[in-house]
Amino acid sequence: GIQVEQSPPDLILQEGANSTLRCNFSDSVNNLQWFHQNPWGQLINLFYIPSGTKQNGRLSATTVATERYSLLYISSSQTTDSGVYFCAVRGSTLGRLYFGRGTQLTVWP
Amino acid sequence: DTGVSQDPRHKITKRGQNVTFRCDPISEHNRLYWYRQTLGQGPEFLTYFQNEAQLEKSRLLSDRFSAERPKGSFSTLEIQRTEQGDSAMYLCASSLSNSPLHFGNGTRLTVT
Repeated sequence: GIQVEQSPPDLILQEGANSTLRCNFSDSVNNLQWFHQNPWGQLINLFYIPSGTKQNGRLSATTVATERYSLLYISSSQTTDSGVYFCAVRGSTLGRLYFGRGTQLTVWP
Repeated sequence: DTGVSQDPRHKITKRGQNVTFRCDPISEHNRLYWYRQTLGQGPEFLTYFQNEAQLEKSRLLSDRFSAERPKGSFSTLEIQRTEQGDSAMYLCASSLSNSPLHFGNGTRLTVT
């Protein structure tokens, strides 16, 4: 299967700070998604980004498929950004998404 | 679009009992996935369906686990003879072919 590595595993920020989360993957992919898991366990779609750059408010993401990595940028972080951020990828021939272990983000007021 | 719906939200059962979970996908989605998540880990793939056909199963899906999607709409996941190691969050997702997956709120299983 495809290996997905996320870094850092934990990130603690003060409100207002910026951060970058990284996702490396071991094979070519046709689907890459970033999720935010809230304290109740719900996985919320942030981006569907198999390649290129997208922005949504304070969040943006970039995937460089040829180099097998993706970055999630969070600017002007807020306490509501706290939670676990997951990167998940799907290979070209399979249906399943492979998840990384996530980055636990804590934003303090 | 009412999203992916899972029932129940929580289930507490005694070891050895059977449990069944239900997932209702987004109505036009042809693919339905089951994942399991334990504390501190990312979701792990269990199985997925395209319409009513079960196309892929993980080795995690032991003989005690069975999933069905009889009419290509809702799906059920049954665990027979539950063990304490089955305690986890069970997540269902749906998608339209290779489009993004959308997850439900999950069913949290506790086996005592």
